[in-house]
Amino acid sequence: SQQGEEDPQALSIQEGENATMNCSYKTSINNLQWYRQNSGRGLVHLILIRSNEREKHSGRLRVTLDTSKKSSSLLITASRAADTASYFCATDSISNFGNEKLTFGTGTRLTIIP
Amino acid sequence: KAGVTQTPRYLIKTRGQQVTLSCSPISGHRSVSWYQQTPGQGLQFLFEYFSETQRNKGNFPGRFSGRQFSNSRSEMNVSTLELGDSALYLCASSLAGRRKETQYFGPGTRLLVL
Repeated sequence: SQQGEEDPQALSIQEGENATMNCSYKTSINNLQWYRQNSGRGLVHLILIRSNEREKHSGRLRVTLDTSKKSSSLLITASRAADTASYFCATDSISNFGNEKLTFGTGTRLTIIP
Repeated sequence: KAGVTQTPRYLIKTRGQQVTLSCSPISGHRSVSWYQQTPGQGLQFLFEYFSETQRNKGNFPGRFSGRQFSNSRSEMNVSTLELGDSALYLCASSLAGRRKETQYFGPGTRLLVL
């Protein structure tokens, strides 16, 4: 089962607009990461936010984390056609082996309309 | 540094056959994780290897196995293929597989089972 659930599942916006996607998770975390995946390719790491952080910026990306609500949001400002991709949140959890692993959410498919 | 490489990139097999996929991590990375990605189930964690030992395992049947060599290269094997095994298989490497580390993904191997 997925630890993270992204919302919305799909999002289409005009180029230049801002895009916001949300991630909800179920158990306590130490870190939450966001990844991007271009169609059928590997994932690319975007940003990591620690559980004691509330907000983090990286270029046109802004990530917020609310541990009380077990949710995070990713904001992409001034969107570009190249931002068209699927975006996944990933949370750390403990496997049955007692070791750390990343669990990915269901993803948001973002389409930027030129 | 060269990125994570996966071979082959595309593969077509028939039910009942077996398949071996290969992943070469970034130089110096000792942790390799494997994921299965399908439209219906999303990104599912298969297993993680660190220093030639399986350190984590997801909820997949025993038909899915893997190994890691002394140079950190990893292979995964799927025996007795089923139609539902059709998926994009992604591997990711990191320095030590700790929760706060970024995982670097390869481009994936797309497997089609007929």
